[in-house]
Parts: sequence; C-alpha cells; structure tokens
Amino acid sequence: SQELEQSPQSLIVQEGKNLTINCTSSKTLYGLYWYKQKYGEGLIFLMMLQKGGEEKSHEKITAKLDEKKQQSSLHITASQPSHAGIYLCGADTNAGKSTFGDGTTLTVKP
Amino acid sequence: EPEVTQTPSHQVTQMGQEVILRCVPISNHLYFYWYRQILGQKVEFLVSFYNNEISEKSEIFDDQFSVERPDGSNFTLKIRSTKLEDSAMYFCASSEALRRGARHGYTFGSGTRLTVV
Repeated sequence: SQELEQSPQSLIVQEGKNLTINCTSSKTLYGLYWYKQKYGEGLIFLMMLQKGGEEKSHEKITAKLDEKKQQSSLHITASQPSHAGIYLCGADTNAGKSTFGDGTTLTVKP
Repeated sequence: EPEVTQTPSHQVTQMGQEVILRCVPISNHLYFYWYRQILGQKVEFLVSFYNNEISEKSEIFDDQFSVERPDGSNFTLKIRSTKLEDSAMYFCASSEALRRGARHGYTFGSGTRLTVV
C-alpha cells in the first residue's frame, strides 16, 4: 500500500519567516493534495498537483511536485499567525481511494 | 463557494447503538467519500461511492458500516452497534470526476465528531 511520509512532524517559526513542508511517497502519485486542518476541525483543500514538475501558488503558499511524482513540497513565504495549523498531504492510489500523511503541525510565533 | 454539509456536527451515542451520519455533497459532484480521523491520528479512507454503489472501500469499512444515497442529495454513513473505538471525526467529501486516477473539485465537509460512551 502507498505510504506518505511528511516532514517535519512539527514546525515553529517566527512570523515573517519562510518555511517548507515535505511529503514523500513510496510510489508514483496520481494526484497529490495539500490540505490545512485546524485541530479538531475539518480539512480545507489548498492545492492539487498532478503533473510531474507542476507548481501551483495560492497567496503566499506554493506547492511543487517533483518530476518523478514521488515528492511534493509546500512552501510558505513570510508566514503569518493565520498560517498556523496542521498541514496534510493526501494522495490518490487507485481511482477513488486515497491515503494521507501524518500531518505537520505549524506554529507561527508573532 | 459550494460546500459539503455534514450533520450533526457532534454526536454522542451509547456503545452498541446505531448512528447515522449525514452529508449533503456538492450538487454536481458524482463521487462521494467517507473518511475518519481518530483524535491525534491520520485521516483514514473508509469508502468511496459512485453511481449508487461502493467503488472502493478500506479494511476499516467492514460489515458494521454501510453507506447510502437515499434521495439524490443526501449521502449517509451508518455505523451499527457502535464501539468505543469508533469515536472519531468523520469527514464526508465529494468530487466532480476522476481524471487519470486523480480527483478533481475535491471538497471536504467540516466533519461530525462522534463520541461513543
């Protein structure tokens, strides 16, 4: 079965600093999704990447998928307290089935 | 912005009781999903549903669980004879379509927190 490993497990940054979260798959990814979750709440879809080398941005968040489609990174530029939360990567293994990473807990200190 | 709506937001039930968790997917979406997240653990896939039948299910989704789309708008997850370990956040999601193995227009609901006592 496909496993997704996220790193780091947790991250504490000073407001205004940049940060990167990584997601590595044991198999080629059909679709890679990034979500944000506040503790105990729902998942907010951020971005989906599908093609090798693809990069997408939304406001100060950029996500990339490598050419081999086995690794993705999420980069936040000039972090703000509103970026705090748990970031999850998810991937499609087969049609209609998906798996998630353990999540990265981000704390942004004002 | 279209939303996936889940009700109730919280449900407390006694062990052994049956619960039904309800979801209203986005109206033009064709694929529906249930996931669960035990507190502090990973989000886990339970089941996907397309064209009025289950298309994929995980090992977690055993005979205790069932899904239904009773009226063309609601999508329900029934858990029979609940156990303490069924306590979790249950998320519904829907997507427009699958293209080359990946889902598009994928949206999660905000979840139902189920507590079994």
